[in-house]
Amino acid sequence: RKEVEQDPGPFNVPEGATVAFNCTYSNSASQSFFWYRQDCRKEPKLLMSVYSSGNEDGRFTAQLNRASQYISLLIRDSKLSDSATYLCVVNGGRNFNKFYFGSGTKLNVKP
Amino acid sequence: DGGITQSPKYLFRKEGQNVTLSCEQNLNHDAMYWYRQDPGQGLRLIYYSQIVNDFQKGDIAEGYSVSREKKESFPLTVTSAQKNPTAFYLCASRDRSGISSGNTIYFGEGSWLTVV
Repeated sequence: RKEVEQDPGPFNVPEGATVAFNCTYSNSASQSFFWYRQDCRKEPKLLMSVYSSGNEDGRFTAQLNRASQYISLLIRDSKLSDSATYLCVVNGGRNFNKFYFGSGTKLNVKP
Repeated sequence: DGGITQSPKYLFRKEGQNVTLSCEQNLNHDAMYWYRQDPGQGLRLIYYSQIVNDFQKGDIAEGYSVSREKKESFPLTVTSAQKNPTAFYLCASRDRSGISSGNTIYFGEGSWLTVV
């Protein structure tokens, strides 16, 4: 079983839509969770960390569900510029120095 | 500006050749990482280093080697033993203390390696 699993998409949504992605992780001892954004042929960039209590940054909201071992990302009022691949990242539990990346969920926001 | 610099950005290798990808960071981060990304795939960990003169194999270390002689530098050598080296290689670093930037991993712009 993969450490981190994501629906690859693509999610095709109109501008202004609300879209949500989930990501599941296998190691219950994982402590750090992140969402990264990756544009085509570019390096991943941190979108936001995910905290136990959930957190919001403008149009983006991240949630952590430890009981079910998943994290989620909600994007409200989608913009064309939100089109990218969103990577879920989880640290390696007991080996917290290792970080595992999901394969990414592709989002296409259409005019 | 602080950051991670990878070079070269594009590299072509002939079969049987070793090549070395450079990674330098001026973020004063202790931890450094090398990942490989294939088209449409996630990142896979090749090697990582927590401190100078120490490094550990990741999930796909075969055919690769690294060194960590200086805190700022973590070069990756792709040897001829790596059977399918064509990929996008990403170097990253992290502040292990978490003081300056939490537990966040920061990436360089990546190096594209193609075997010809």
